[in-house]
Amino acid sequence: DVKVTQSSRYLVKRTGEKVFLECVQDMDHENMFWYRQDPGLGLRLIYFSYDVKMKEKGDIPEGYSVSREKKERFSLILESASTNQTSMYLCASWDTENYGYTFGSGTRLTVV
Amino acid sequence: SQQGEEDPQALSIQEGENATMNCSYKTSINNLQWYRQNSGRGLVHLILIRSNEREKHSGRLRVTLDTSKKSSSLLITASRAADTASYFCATDSRGSNYKLTFGKGTLLTVNP
Repeated sequence: DVKVTQSSRYLVKRTGEKVFLECVQDMDHENMFWYRQDPGLGLRLIYFSYDVKMKEKGDIPEGYSVSREKKERFSLILESASTNQTSMYLCASWDTENYGYTFGSGTRLTVV
Repeated sequence: SQQGEEDPQALSIQEGENATMNCSYKTSINNLQWYRQNSGRGLVHLILIRSNEREKHSGRLRVTLDTSKKSSSLLITASRAADTASYFCATDSRGSNYKLTFGKGTLLTVNP
């Protein structure tokens, strides 16, 4: 089974901190995605990557950046965390065989 | 941008009953998928239906797609308490390059 692993289930950070959310997949998938999920708003795409060192903005990239130095790892960076970035963050990779996403378990980030 | 909209937002049924959830979308699609999310976890891919298909089955799941009405339905037969979760439809369209657009989900509660 494909595994997508997000390094933290729960995270509490202070306003203004630089925050790194890590995501690793073990199936050599090329396409990886970061979404945030908020009540009443559903899942919204932040950034995605087609390959190493390639990245593209999603629907809500403001306040975020990403890094893809190795194929298996896709990191989401909050440059200066703010309280409105408190959310559930979901990483996914594209499974070509099943034509769908494999998601990680999510990181629930609270910014205080 | 929000593509799919699920209906109802919440559904509560008794074990053994069937559960039907609906999804409507706005623009032409290539494929429509359904995902399930247990409370506080990542999403799990359930079933994919292509735009040239009208119905698909997988175990207790039945998905229909009506492209003329831009709508899909997910039927779970003989529901179990373990089916309690949120269910999301997700669509991709020509040129979307594996980016999925998710609806806001239906929260299904199956009471024992």
